[in-house]
Amino acid sequence: NAGVMQNPRHLVRRRGQEARLRCSPMKGHSHVYWYRQLPEEGLKFMVYLQKENIIDESGMPKERFSAEFPKEGPSILRIQQVVRGDSAAYFCASSPQTGVDTIYFGEGSWLTVV
Amino acid sequence: AQRVTQPEKLLSVFKGAPVELKCNYSYSGSPELFWYVQYSRQRLQLLLRHISRESIKGFTADLNKGETSFHLKKPFAQEEDSAMYYCALSPHMNRDDKIIFGKGTRLHILP
Repeated sequence: NAGVMQNPRHLVRRRGQEARLRCSPMKGHSHVYWYRQLPEEGLKFMVYLQKENIIDESGMPKERFSAEFPKEGPSILRIQQVVRGDSAAYFCASSPQTGVDTIYFGEGSWLTVV
Repeated sequence: AQRVTQPEKLLSVFKGAPVELKCNYSYSGSPELFWYVQYSRQRLQLLLRHISRESIKGFTADLNKGETSFHLKKPFAQEEDSAMYYCALSPHMNRDDKIIFGKGTRLHILP
């Protein structure tokens, strides 16, 4: 089991460009979480998805940010028209559908906006 | 409302001294509680979970339902324990309730 895979690991974007971050959950996992971690700060919840469904997006900024988890392929976190304040580490985590369990994190994607 | 509270943003402890990272929770049902650790610029890793009742890297945590706490403890701190620690609550059987993390406590072990 390859674990939660995130790519790219590092991404540099100029202000105004778009950033796309991808997350492939662990095999057998149907639920994905996205978190943002600003430098020297804690983890902030963004969105919780299952395939083709957003369960909870209460942590997503109202504009420029969107997330999806299609039936086939990875989950994608999309940030349009990036600004310097978007520079952060974005972590994805996944969990299985049922049972008493925990969530498993990817290595993170570090976005730098210049 | 479901909530996980870690009151300390930063905790500095001398090497060899005891460590206690506080975690309190608010949940109406029977949650699962976890501690995650994040070493510098790495992924979060599961440290321990209350149902396992195990000790990992010398750390233990006991669920106290009366005080709704799940404090993380270690009798003798080591320099390699310096990291960010997150307490988390899983809603157990209701899969549409997300896992909730505290804001984290940065543990700094002083030489």
